[in-house]
Amino acid sequence: GENVEQHPSTLSVQEGDSAVIKCTYSDSASNYFPWYKQELGKRPQLIIDIRSNVGEKKDQRIAVTLNKTAKHFSLHITETQPEDSAVYFCADLSGGYNKLIFGAGTRLAVHP
Amino acid sequence: DVKVTQSSRYLVKRTGEKVFLECVQDMDHENMFWYRQDPGLGLRLIYFSYDVKMKEKGDIPEGYSVSREKKERFSLILESASTNQTSMYLCASSEGTQETQYFGPGTRLLVL
Repeated sequence: GENVEQHPSTLSVQEGDSAVIKCTYSDSASNYFPWYKQELGKRPQLIIDIRSNVGEKKDQRIAVTLNKTAKHFSLHITETQPEDSAVYFCADLSGGYNKLIFGAGTRLAVHP
Repeated sequence: DVKVTQSSRYLVKRTGEKVFLECVQDMDHENMFWYRQDPGLGLRLIYFSYDVKMKEKGDIPEGYSVSREKKERFSLILESASTNQTSMYLCASSEGTQETQYFGPGTRLLVL
């Protein structure tokens, strides 16, 4: 079936450093790729998404890149801050199904 | 501001009991979803619904059923709870398939 692989499962960085999380997907017809952030004890919330007709999207310190040929997409966080500490989930909306397939999550820890 | 609420934050049930988890959204969203969240497995889709009285199986529907009698309400039913259904259950809603999914606060279910 369709699946999304997410790496790394944990990531520890110093405040101010950059963090990169990568996801690969299997369905070449996938066309929508959101990223969700879940802080400890809270619900997941969308932070950024990208559609298959663009290769990159930025929102302040957050950016997402998409490589359709290689079937992977990445989340980039620059100038990390302690409040960026959370679990991040990637997802893709596979072309043949109207449902999101989520990655297993990346636990990001930003140390002051 | 979208609000998705779930009937319970914490629930303890016995093996074999019938369990009802309710989700209500106030934004007139067409789509509603039930996920379970387990460490290292991300968010796995149990069932989803595009419209009143419509339901579709997700990736792990076994042992669960759902009901959507009204647009704003989506119920998850565990017909006979088992210990392997101990998990965090998250409900979500969205306006469209390529739109933001808004999550509820989650119900942490413990089956003894």
